[in-house]
Amino acid sequence: AQSVAQPEDQVNVAEGNPLTVKCTYSVSGNPYLFWYVQYPNRGLQFLLKYITGDNLVKGSYGFEAEFNKSQTSFHLKKPSALVSDSALYFCARASSNTGKLIFGQGTTLQVKP
Amino acid sequence: DTAVSQTPKYLVTQMGNDKSIKCEQNLGHDTMYWYKQDSKKFLKIMFSYNNKELIINETVPNRFSPKSPDKAHLNLHINSLELGDSAVYFCASSKYLKRGATTGELFFGEGSRLTVL
Repeated sequence: AQSVAQPEDQVNVAEGNPLTVKCTYSVSGNPYLFWYVQYPNRGLQFLLKYITGDNLVKGSYGFEAEFNKSQTSFHLKKPSALVSDSALYFCARASSNTGKLIFGQGTTLQVKP
Repeated sequence: DTAVSQTPKYLVTQMGNDKSIKCEQNLGHDTMYWYKQDSKKFLKIMFSYNNKELIINETVPNRFSPKSPDKAHLNLHINSLELGDSAVYFCASSKYLKRGATTGELFFGEGSRLTVL
C-alpha cells in the first residue's frame, strides 16, 4: 500500500538554526508527495508538493523539501527556523488513481528562542 | 472571506444523539472531503465527493452519512453518537483533475471539535 512515515514525533530546534522534519515513503507507484502544516486549533495548510521535475521543491514560508528517490525520502527543510514555525507538520502522499491523500502521523516542531 | 467554512466549530453532545456538521467552500472546487483527526492528531480520510458524486468512502460506520446538495457544500450527519466518535472533523476541498484525482492541494476548514459524553 502507498504510505508515508514520519519517524520523529517531535523535533526541537533553536531559533536561527536550520531545521529538518523527516518523511519517508513506500516504494509503490509514482509518489506524489506533500507537506502540510497545522497550527494549534487550526486546519491544515498546504506548504509544498512534489509531482515530477526538480527534486528540490520550494514552498511557503521559506520551506523547501528534497525528493530523494534512492532513499525514498522527502524531508522538509528550512535554513533558519523561526519561533513562529512551531507547529505540527504532516507529510502526505496522494494516489494518482483515487485522489486519496494519505497523511503521515505528524511531527511536532518546537522552535525555542 | 473564509474559503472553507465549517459549522459548528464546537459540538458537545450525549451518547446516542444525532448531530450534523456543515461545510461550505467558496473556492469553486469540484471535490470536497471529510477527514477525522483523533486525539493523537492522526488524520484519516472518511469521504470524498466530486461534483456531488461520492468517490471515496473509507471504512466508516454506517452511522456516518455524508450529503452533498451541490458541489459547494458537503455535510456530515452522524447517528447514534458513540464515545469513540469524539474527534476533530475537518472538511477540505480541492480542484478536480480527472476522475477521483486531484492536485493534492487541499484547502482545509478550521475543524469541528465533537465531544461525545
